[in-house]
Amino acid sequence: GAVVSQHPSWVICKSGTSVKIECRSLDFQATTMFWYRQFPKQSLMLMATSNEGSKATYEQGVEKDKFLINHASLTLSTLTVTSAHPEDSSFYICSVPGELSTDTQYFGPGTRLTVL
Amino acid sequence: AQTVTQSQPEMSVQEAETVTLSCTYDTSESDYYLFWYKQPPSRQMILVIRQEAYKQQNATENRFSVNFQKAAKSFSLKISDSQLGDAAMYFCAYRSPPTSGTYKYIFGTGTRLKVLA
Repeated sequence: GAVVSQHPSWVICKSGTSVKIECRSLDFQATTMFWYRQFPKQSLMLMATSNEGSKATYEQGVEKDKFLINHASLTLSTLTVTSAHPEDSSFYICSVPGELSTDTQYFGPGTRLTVL
Repeated sequence: AQTVTQSQPEMSVQEAETVTLSCTYDTSESDYYLFWYKQPPSRQMILVIRQEAYKQQNATENRFSVNFQKAAKSFSLKISDSQLGDAAMYFCAYRSPPTSGTYKYIFGTGTRLKVLA
């Protein structure tokens, strides 16, 4: 399967600061990437769809000013959690759709964010 | 709106035995995909098996097979000859037909599978 990387794998930050998470598609170019959030022992919830060359599409209930998404190139999408609070602590996962309609999506290894 | 339901929060199976994980979904679409993903303790999501809705034949991948009942909107996963490495969280997922050129995935709440030695 395709390789998707995320950086950092974990981060601890103070409340009020901003944190940037990178997602890279290493095997092919991706015009679309997905950002998910997973709370402990819970499912993956789609936060937004990152679109290269245009604005991200956010799911209902996700604050676009708090979770800034930038699809800088065909291989890189970034998620910035602005003015982080302890309730933003979670596991953030990005994924890249396969090139074919029959493909699955390829997941990054995730980033654990802890806000103190 | 589409929904995916996994009614078994946790399941246990003896090593070498067979276990079935349940998944039901709701959609008004006719063309979609269904997936089972595995999430081990490393948290890396791994594709287990996929099923195209237009195919009547159940998908199989080695020890993993599905029972896809389209009319009943049911998509169960059967793991045969369970191994210790199968212990993980399993998520059922529905992929909608593309809207504006992109797909959307909806995940169930997951089933934690324990494999007993």
